[in-house]
Amino acid sequence: DVKVTQSSRYLVKRTGEKVFLECVQDMDHENMFWYRQDPGLGLRLIYFSYDVKMKEKGDIPEGYSVSREKKERFSLILESASTNQTSMYLCASSRTQQGTGYTFGSGTRLTVV
Amino acid sequence: RKEVEQDPGPFNVPEGATVAFNCTYSNSASQSFFWYRQDCRKEPKLLMSVYSSGNEDGRFTAQLNRASQYISLLIRDSKLSDSATYLCVEKGGMRFGAGTRLTVKP
Repeated sequence: DVKVTQSSRYLVKRTGEKVFLECVQDMDHENMFWYRQDPGLGLRLIYFSYDVKMKEKGDIPEGYSVSREKKERFSLILESASTNQTSMYLCASSRTQQGTGYTFGSGTRLTVV
Repeated sequence: RKEVEQDPGPFNVPEGATVAFNCTYSNSASQSFFWYRQDCRKEPKLLMSVYSSGNEDGRFTAQLNRASQYISLLIRDSKLSDSATYLCVEKGGMRFGAGTRLTVKP
């Protein structure tokens, strides 16, 4: 019954490494999102995509990029990981832009050392 | 001012109590709101949508007050299993509140 799958539950990377976080959804949703969640700050939007090969910056895109080559897959890339990118990363998809809620993946807890 | 604001709590209530959370939003054109529940170290899960007319699902009632720009979540007859963090989201702007932590005690 898994609908949004994130490739790793826990990840430890070194400063300066290029990091790929993968997200796949099986609900044929057009809309996909990457958030990070930090204590006291809640969920903050990094990037989102409303269609294949389309991407839009969210509130905190600096240091990140994304790729959406196929409808079901939305990848988040940390070009050069830094310690301030240690966080919980949550991928979500949504059937519509406004009228329906998000379905989240189980999250990837990334630690950059 | 943050787009979406919530009282972080924590709210500590006894079993059987009624508890309400509010969430204010700044964009008067916002149309679409939801409440999510998040358990410790888990992903947020959709609790309910929020409609202008209000909606109820068992012990849970969600309401939208457009004039004052807030949404609310009311939980009646609290259960121990209701202990979680509750997040509001303004979907059009893709913005979440920081969450309100609820602990229901025996």
